[in-house]
Amino acid sequence: GNSVTQMEGPVTLSEEAFLTINCTYTATGYPSLFWYVQYPGEGLQLLLKATKADDKGSNKGFEATYRKETTSFHLEKGSVQVSDSAVYFCALEGGSEKLVFGKGTKLTVNP
Amino acid sequence: NAGVTQTPKFQVLKTGQSMTLQCAQDMNHNSMYWYRQDPGMGLRLIYYSASEGTTDKGEVPNGYNVSRLNKREFSLRLESAAPSQTSVYFCASSSLLSRQETQYFGPGTRLLVL
Repeated sequence: GNSVTQMEGPVTLSEEAFLTINCTYTATGYPSLFWYVQYPGEGLQLLLKATKADDKGSNKGFEATYRKETTSFHLEKGSVQVSDSAVYFCALEGGSEKLVFGKGTKLTVNP
Repeated sequence: NAGVTQTPKFQVLKTGQSMTLQCAQDMNHNSMYWYRQDPGMGLRLIYYSASEGTTDKGEVPNGYNVSRLNKREFSLRLESAAPSQTSVYFCASSSLLSRQETQYFGPGTRLLVL
């Protein structure tokens, strides 16, 4: 079945550091890939998405590229801010019209 | 627009009690979902509704029932709560049951079953 594996957290960075959160997936066919973010005390909200191979999703300085050859969708940001502290979820939709989520990675950014 | 709203925000139940979690969306979306979020488990789909009048089981449906009351509202019922159902519950909606559609989430309901 479809599955998503993302790096274990928590991740702690200093402000302006470079961020990478790894995400790999297993799916049949050609899934759509998503990153959702959950700020403290809130529900999830879409951060970015990519629907086909080699697409790059981007939003708020975050980027992720759909790499079919490595079945990956790693999240990156060049310079994190304290306000980026949140839990990040990688997810895929692989033809069943239902999202499959990774376990989440908690990011803490210190000033 | 309020987006997706959920009530209550927090609830404590005793084992064996019943309750209904309410969810409503004002985005005219066709599809709605219920998830539970547990530490180290990510989000798992309980039930979903592709359109008004239809519901289907997700990954972890046991112990739950749902009702798609109308296009706006999708409720989740626990008939006899168990401690294993202690979790944070999220409702979500999307315009279509489509692989490319963004899901919009409510703020969650924290449920503690003693």
